[in-house]
Order: sequence, then C-alpha cells, then structure tokens
Amino acid sequence: QVQLVQSGAEVKKPGASVKVSCKASGYTFTGYDINWVRQATGQGLEWMGWMSPNSGNTGYAQKFQGRVTMTRKTSISTAYMELSSLRSEDTAVYYCARGGSGSWFDPWGQGTLVTVSS
Amino acid sequence: DIQMTQSPSSLSASVGDRVTITCRASQSISSYLNWYQQKPGKAPKVLIYVASSLQSGVPSRFSGSGSGTDFILTISSLQPEDFATYYCQQTYSTPITFGQGTRLEIK
Repeated sequence: QVQLVQSGAEVKKPGASVKVSCKASGYTFTGYDINWVRQATGQGLEWMGWMSPNSGNTGYAQKFQGRVTMTRKTSISTAYMELSSLRSEDTAVYYCARGGSGSWFDPWGQGTLVTVSS
Repeated sequence: DIQMTQSPSSLSASVGDRVTITCRASQSISSYLNWYQQKPGKAPKVLIYVASSLQSGVPSRFSGSGSGTDFILTISSLQPEDFATYYCQQTYSTPITFGQGTRLEIK
C-alpha cells in the first residue's frame, strides 16, 4: 500500500539543526510532490513547503525561507526536510505528505516530534 | 496569501445529528478545497478533495459542496468515530493554507 514512513523523534538545542526523513513506498516516488506540514501542540496545521522528487525543485513558505531545505534521494525513495537555527517555537510534530498545488495531501507520514529545548 | 476561515471553531453535537462546517476563502479558489479529519495523536486524513469528491474508503455520510470562496462539509448522521478536528485546505496557490480547524465534540 501507499505509505510514507518518517524518522523518529528528535531533541535539539536552540540554534541547532534537525533533519527529518520521509521514506515512500507503494508508488513511484518521482511521480508526486512531497510537502511538509508542521503542527505545534494543540495548534493547527502549518504548511512549510514542497519538493518535486523528480526534478528536485522546491518552494518554501516565506516564514521558513533561509532556514528550511528540502531534498531527496531517489535511489531510496526518501525525502528530507532540514530546519536550521532552531528555536523553542519550532517544537512541533512535522509531517510529510504526498500531493501538492492543485491536488490534495494523501497519504501523510506518521509525524516526527521535534523538541527544541536547552 | 489566501486566508481560510472555518466556522465554528468548536461544536458540540450528539450521535445521529446532522452537522455542517463552513470554510471561507479570502479570494476565489475555484474548487481547490480539501477537507481533512484529524484524531488526537494521528496524522490528518483526507475526507473530501476538490470540494466535493469523496475519498475512497470514506463513509458516504461525509459530503462537501461549494466553489469560489464558500465551502461546506456536511456529516449527515454523526457516528461516535466522527468526533475529531476538521480542517479545510486550499491548494489553489502557494503558500498552501489551512483553516484554523473545527473541533467536533460529543454533547
């Protein structure tokens, strides 16, 4: 079945970087965009950006420009989201999701909790 | 950026009730509107895509309507498993944006 499996929880100190992986299976990885969405505890969904696994093209929400990098390794059908200069406000569950502009997100990964604390 | 506004923010209802949740876009988004259900500790799950198409495997008591700026999610007869938070999402243009969510609680 089509699924996205993310890497495990991370604890980081302020100022550090985190890299979350998202492994796709059950479909052609290069055929669909991958998006990243985050959710702070008790809060709503916030879109961070998208990446085309085929071309490597990316688009980021302005809020994260300069701090986020989305990449992929097609040989292992895996997408990555790296967020740098972490601060406490970045503590959230980070999701990857297949889909994109003009489409819908399905499926979603199970989520990765990133905790930023000194 | 396109702002998505859902109402109500929270709602109490009983099993068997008919429930509607509305979503308004700050500008026309044609039919590029999706609805998601999220349960605590779980990832969101798509229910309705492009305003009115029912995702495979989703019960037919869920339906969506609307176009342009105003959209509605309807649950025709609430079941116990439907108590969750619902989000609308526009994918008409980037940045992709979500509504703030509607928390559906048991009365």
